[in-house]
Amino acid sequence: QQQVKQSPQSLIVQKGGIPIINCAYENTAFDYFPWYQQFPGKGPALLIAIRPDVSEKKEGRFTISFNKSAKQFSLHIMDSQPGDSATYFCAASMAENAGNMLTFGGGTRLMVKP
Amino acid sequence: DGGITQSPKYLFRKEGQNVTLSCEQNLNHDAMYWYRQDPGQGLRLIYYSQIVNDFQKGDIAEGYSVSREKKESFPLTVTSAQKNPTAFYLCASSTSDLGAFFGQGTRLTVV
Repeated sequence: QQQVKQSPQSLIVQKGGIPIINCAYENTAFDYFPWYQQFPGKGPALLIAIRPDVSEKKEGRFTISFNKSAKQFSLHIMDSQPGDSATYFCAASMAENAGNMLTFGGGTRLMVKP
Repeated sequence: DGGITQSPKYLFRKEGQNVTLSCEQNLNHDAMYWYRQDPGQGLRLIYYSQIVNDFQKGDIAEGYSVSREKKESFPLTVTSAQKNPTAFYLCASSTSDLGAFFGQGTRLTVV
């Protein structure tokens, strides 16, 4: 049973555009929501993360928006660049789950055209 | 340099052969994980360990085995019982305060 649903599966934008990737979760016990960026042949790297006590978090060109009542969160990439072309995964975990075991979304393959 | 080291980067397995993938971390994390990633797909959990000498099956544990004799090490053995082992294997570790950190992966191919 997939507990974190991610959309879209793929996304193409022009350079400078603002791709938005959405995730929805079911388990209200989740309290940590990270995003990972993965380049081909590499391991995923932690990009940005949010906890449900805030509705938005920004780090550089990356912003997470969080809607607790809707059980949804999204990643926005401002002024996207060709170097942002990668696969992005959202995830969720709960603090009571020792080690913060993550449940991942299915991934979004982003292509930013020059 | 703190991090997670996976080796080898590429591995070739013959039919019916067992192979072991190495994962070492120096982050002092208690929890470690193994994921499988197929082309264009997401991450599927194979096994995880929250403490030394203890581990639990994930969603796709059949045909795989692990051990956790040391906090730093969590090797994965792909046995001959795994009929479709060609994939990208990712090891990760985490604490209760931060998200998981991943190694650079091992690409396993059956020849």
